[in-house]
Amino acid sequence: GQQVMQIPQYQHVQEGEDFTTYCNSSTTLSNIQWYKQRPGGHPVFLIQLVKSGEVKKQKRLTFQFGEAKKNSSLHITATQTTDVGTYFCAGGDSGNTPLVFGKGTRLSVIA
Amino acid sequence: ETGVTQTPRHLVMGMTNKKSLKCEQHLGHNAMYWYKQSAKKPLELMFVYNFKEQTENNSVPSRFSPECPNSSHLFLHLHTLQPEDSALYLCASSQATEQFFGPGTRLTVL
Repeated sequence: GQQVMQIPQYQHVQEGEDFTTYCNSSTTLSNIQWYKQRPGGHPVFLIQLVKSGEVKKQKRLTFQFGEAKKNSSLHITATQTTDVGTYFCAGGDSGNTPLVFGKGTRLSVIA
Repeated sequence: ETGVTQTPRHLVMGMTNKKSLKCEQHLGHNAMYWYKQSAKKPLELMFVYNFKEQTENNSVPSRFSPECPNSSHLFLHLHTLQPEDSALYLCASSQATEQFFGPGTRLTVL
């Protein structure tokens, strides 16, 4: 079945440094979604990408979808303590199969 | 608030107990999900319901029994659980794309 791998598992950065998490699917995706879960909270939807090579930005966050629609990345510029949490990618294929979530990248930001 | 509520927020139960988790969504969504979140498997899909019909059962042990009486409510009935079932149980709903998660029930099995 479809698998979604996410790296790194953990990342510790100094406040102000950049951060990137990578997501790779074993199959071609129709779309990819990103979620953020704050410590003690629940996953919250950030964005969805559907087009090959698509790039979307949300303030300091940049999301990319690979040309082959099998990988994606989330890049945060100049991290802040409010960025702390676990970032999950989730791959969707065409049809009614549910999203497959990666294991997430837990980001710690040291002030 | 995401429009998805879960009760109780915390639950401690013995292995011989029977309890139920409740999820309610106020978003008019057609699909509802149960996930288990633990340190070993961060987001493990358990069950999916579309229009009250179960469309996915991800090889979940029979000691977990879901119920979806209507599109707005989802239950997870628990009986004879094991300590390794201790985890955060998250409910989510969706209409087309993004999933909206509830706050979760933190379950501890003694």
